[in-house]
Amino acid sequence: RKEVEQDPGPFNVPEGATVAFNCTYSNSASQSFFWYRQDCRKEPKLLMSVYSSGNEDGRFTAQLNRASQYISLLIRDSKLSDSATYLCVVIKSSARQLTFGSGTQLTVLP
Amino acid sequence: EAQVTQNPRYLITVTGKKLTVTCSQNMNHEYMSWYRQDPGLGLRQIYYSMNVEVTDKGDVPEGYKVSRKEKRNFPLILESPSPNQTSLYFCASSLSGTAIYEQYFGPGTRLTVT
Repeated sequence: RKEVEQDPGPFNVPEGATVAFNCTYSNSASQSFFWYRQDCRKEPKLLMSVYSSGNEDGRFTAQLNRASQYISLLIRDSKLSDSATYLCVVIKSSARQLTFGSGTQLTVLP
Repeated sequence: EAQVTQNPRYLITVTGKKLTVTCSQNMNHEYMSWYRQDPGLGLRQIYYSMNVEVTDKGDVPEGYKVSRKEKRNFPLILESPSPNQTSLYFCASSLSGTAIYEQYFGPGTRLTVT
């Protein structure tokens, strides 16, 4: 089983829709969680951190469910510019490495 | 401009011909890392460095070497490239080992080994 798993998609949604992605992790020692965004053929960039209490940044909401070992990303009022691949990232408490999921591809259609 | 640069951006080479991909950052970051990205497998870490002269293996280090003689540079060396090393390679840096969550990535190097 992969350490971090994501539904690869693609998710095709109309502009203005709400879309959510999940990411599951297998190691219960995982400590920190993040979402990165990667545009086609470009480098990944940090989108947001995921806190136990959940956190929101504009149209984006990230949540963590430790009991079920998954994190989620919710995008409200989707824009064309949200089209990208979203990567979940997990860091174990003692680790000096990031473990990336393989990404979920989102396309927002006009 | 704060950035991570990689060279070359595209490289086509033949099996067994040694090559080096350079990576340089101008942000005085302590932590640097190399990843490869393959379809369906996501980003996998090859090597990382917590600081000058300190390097450690990531998840897929076989067939690669690195060095960290200066803080700003972290070259990736393929001594004898093979076709299974055809991939998209990213270098990344972060401020320190305690802030590795915020990685700044270079633009990527697309390597093809024939």
